[in-house]
Amino acid sequence: SQELEQSPQSLIVQEGKNLTINCTSSKTLYGLYWYKQKYGEGLIFLMMLQKGGEEKSHEKITAKLDEKKQQSSLHITASQPSHAGIYLCGAVGTASKLTFGTGTRLQVTL
Amino acid sequence: DTGVSQDPRHKITKRGQNVTFRCDPISEHNRLYWYRQTLGQGPEFLTYFQNEAQLEKSRLLSDRFSAERPKGSFSTLEIQRTEQGDSAMYLCASSLATFYLNTGELFFGEGSRLTVL
Repeated sequence: SQELEQSPQSLIVQEGKNLTINCTSSKTLYGLYWYKQKYGEGLIFLMMLQKGGEEKSHEKITAKLDEKKQQSSLHITASQPSHAGIYLCGAVGTASKLTFGTGTRLQVTL
Repeated sequence: DTGVSQDPRHKITKRGQNVTFRCDPISEHNRLYWYRQTLGQGPEFLTYFQNEAQLEKSRLLSDRFSAERPKGSFSTLEIQRTEQGDSAMYLCASSLATFYLNTGELFFGEGSRLTVL
């Protein structure tokens, strides 16, 4: 079965700083999703990547999928308190279901 | 609001009782998924439907769990004889799968949090 490892597990950054979260797969990624989750709430879709080398941006968040399609990164520029939460990567597996990593908990301090 | 909605948002029950959760997906979405999430973990797949057909069930879905999507629209997840280990957030997601975009973007609901005492 496919396993996703996220790093770091948790991150505390000062407002205005940049940060990167990584997601590494044990197998080739045929689709990689990034979600954000506030504590006790549902998942908010951020981006989906499918092609090797693909890069997508939305506001201050950029996600990339490497050429070998086994690693993805999520980069936040000039972090804000509104970016705080848990970031989850999910990989498309068999039968179109997603397998998720354990998440990266982000805190943004003032 | 045209997103995925789940009901109830919170449920506290005593061990041994039955509980049922409902999910209303985005109206044009043909796929509906159920996931379970425990504290500090990512969501774990339980089952999914393509229209009204249940196409896959995880081994996590014991015989006490049953899910339906009778008309290909809303879905219910029932847990019989609840156990303390069933305490978790139950998440529903939907997507529009097509030939060219097999999975599509999965949109999640706010979840139903179950606490079994």
